Amino acid sequence: DGGITQSPKYLFRKEGQNVTLSCEQNLNHDAMYWYRQDPGQGLRLIYYSQIVNDFQKGDIAEGYSVSREKKESFPLTVTSAQKNPTAFYLCASSISSGLSPNGYTFGSGTRLTVV
Amino acid sequence: KNEVEQSPQNLTAQEGEFITINCSYSVGISALHWLQQHPGGGIVSLFMLSSGKKKHGRLIATINIQEKHSSLHITASHPRDSAVYICAVGRTAQKLVFGQGTRLTINP
Repeated sequence: DGGITQSPKYLFRKEGQNVTLSCEQNLNHDAMYWYRQDPGQGLRLIYYSQIVNDFQKGDIAEGYSVSREKKESFPLTVTSAQKNPTAFYLCASSISSGLSPNGYTFGSGTRLTVV
Repeated sequence: KNEVEQSPQNLTAQEGEFITINCSYSVGISALHWLQQHPGGGIVSLFMLSSGKKKHGRLIATINIQEKHSSLHITASHPRDSAVYICAVGRTAQKLVFGQGTRLTINP
């Protein structure tokens, strides 16, 4: 079955360490997105990519980095510069990235805890 | 004021009840999305609509563009419907604005 795979589901890291969250999709979607979810808040866009080798900052990109070397993969690195990295991270993809798409497909998320 | 407001924030009901979750927005949009987030965190896209009404099984979504308001209805609710329901609006995929979500609990 096609879908998005995020790994790992739970991740613990020490403060000051960089950590990379994996996101893989086999839906042949062009666009991929990373969102952050905090308690009591709506999802906020970190980065998005409309095509391979191209990506754009979202609303809260500071302290994060991404790459899009392959259509299927859009890993997110949470760097030590991110001041409050503990959160739930969701990856998503869609067929198109211009006008509102036919719909999103979301991954199951990664809960990152920095101690 | 948030650009997307959902109400209620929390809703508890008995199995079989008719459920309504509301979403009001203040930005111009081309589409509105209703999403369902399960306790484990994964999100499923339920509907995307830009006008009128859509139905899928026991779920019905309506939107009134002039009033900038949408509702999600669940008929004959069941405990497995317990989840967080999220409204999201926008003009483009990368400019979606998400509501805070409505936590629904259906008791048997």
